[in-house]
Amino acid sequence: SAVISQKPSRDICQRGTSLTIQCQVDSQVTMMFWYRQQPGQSLTLIATANQGSEATYESGFVIDKFPISRPNLTFSTLTVSNMSPEDSSIYLCSVEESRAPTFRYEQYFGPGTRLTVT
Amino acid sequence: ELKVEQNPLFLSMQEGKNYTIYCNYSTTSDRLYWYRQDPGKSLESLFVLLSNGAVKQEGRLMASLDTKARLSTLHITAAVHDLSATYFCAAETSGSRLTFGEGTQLTVNP
Repeated sequence: SAVISQKPSRDICQRGTSLTIQCQVDSQVTMMFWYRQQPGQSLTLIATANQGSEATYESGFVIDKFPISRPNLTFSTLTVSNMSPEDSSIYLCSVEESRAPTFRYEQYFGPGTRLTVT
Repeated sequence: ELKVEQNPLFLSMQEGKNYTIYCNYSTTSDRLYWYRQDPGKSLESLFVLLSNGAVKQEGRLMASLDTKARLSTLHITAAVHDLSATYFCAAETSGSRLTFGEGTQLTVNP
């Protein structure tokens, strides 16, 4: 099964700066997603990142704040721009892939990036 | 807009007891997922349910899906301390987008 990694695993950033989070998969996947989990909360989808097209953002999330790149089928980045303390969250990428034994398409999550904005 | 509600949000159980977590979703969904999250960790996929009447079991956990009632349940049998975690259900809509429930924080006490 594919291994999903994220960099950095955690960071502490100052207000007004930007951070780019990387998501790497060791096999080719069509569908990649970025989620946010605010402290003590559930997960919220930020955007869908498909290779060869612009990311599709969910209501409440905009490209200027969360620009996303998807240059190939194994990699994506999410940038959190002009950060404020309210952006302190865990950011997770996920991929849709099929795995043994069912080989049905399911969504799997990376380890997450824990961001603290001071 | 798809909404997903879980209950209870907090669950404290004694070891050896049984309990059920409920997940209601508001509109038609393609798939229903259950995930486990340990503190400071990412999400571990437990079950994906595709069709009405689907039932899946793994160890002390059993998940079921009733698409007509838009309800999924996660049943815990003879709970053990290792099951302490937060459990999320998530309903999938077009484009494989997931909407998550609020999560159920489960604590199993000796």
